[in-house]
Amino acid sequence: AQSVTQPDIHITVSEGASLELRCNYSYGATPYLFWYVQSPGQGLQLLLKYFSGDTLVQGIKGFEAEFKRSQSSFNLRKPSVHWSDAAEYFCAVGLNTGGFKTIFGAGTRLFVKA
Amino acid sequence: ETGVTQSPTHLIKTRGQQVTLRCSSQSGHNTVSWYQQALGQGPQFIFQYYREEENGRGNFPPRFSGLQFPNYSSELNVNALELDDSALYLCASSLGTGPGYGYTFGSGTRLTVV
Repeated sequence: AQSVTQPDIHITVSEGASLELRCNYSYGATPYLFWYVQSPGQGLQLLLKYFSGDTLVQGIKGFEAEFKRSQSSFNLRKPSVHWSDAAEYFCAVGLNTGGFKTIFGAGTRLFVKA
Repeated sequence: ETGVTQSPTHLIKTRGQQVTLRCSSQSGHNTVSWYQQALGQGPQFIFQYYREEENGRGNFPPRFSGLQFPNYSSELNVNALELDDSALYLCASSLGTGPGYGYTFGSGTRLTVV
């Protein structure tokens, strides 16, 4: 069955430090991959997406992600974290199996310390 | 351009009652998907609507039903509410039904069943 795994429930980084959030997926074909961010009490905002081509994709707010087929991974990175980046981050896979749906991981909560 | 708007933002219902949640899609978006997000979890796919027809459904019982109107707005109806239905319900619109389209999410409706 298709699935998305985010191994880290929460991560704490210092402001200005680099960030990497991990995501692994289970799917037979090359999936459509997304990262979303959710601030408390809010809906989700799309950060970036990967369909094909260059495996390093750039998104909004200075985020990027790298697709690694051999590792079934799509990790999110940011070189320097800002306090406003504190939020919940969701990795997602877009599938078309008898109808379209997007499967989300359980999320990683990012805490930023001064 | 307008985003996705959901109403109401919060509501409290009693077990066994019925509820209707509403969603107006982003301008130009013809596809609406509904998600249930329990506390501390990632969003779970309920169903998707395209051209007023259901176009894919997740693992939710028939008491979860929906509608899409000619202007692409949508409703989610839940009958015979159970305590476990307490969650944030998210509506997301997209430009099409394919798995590669990113979503624009609303801020959600927080449903509490007592």
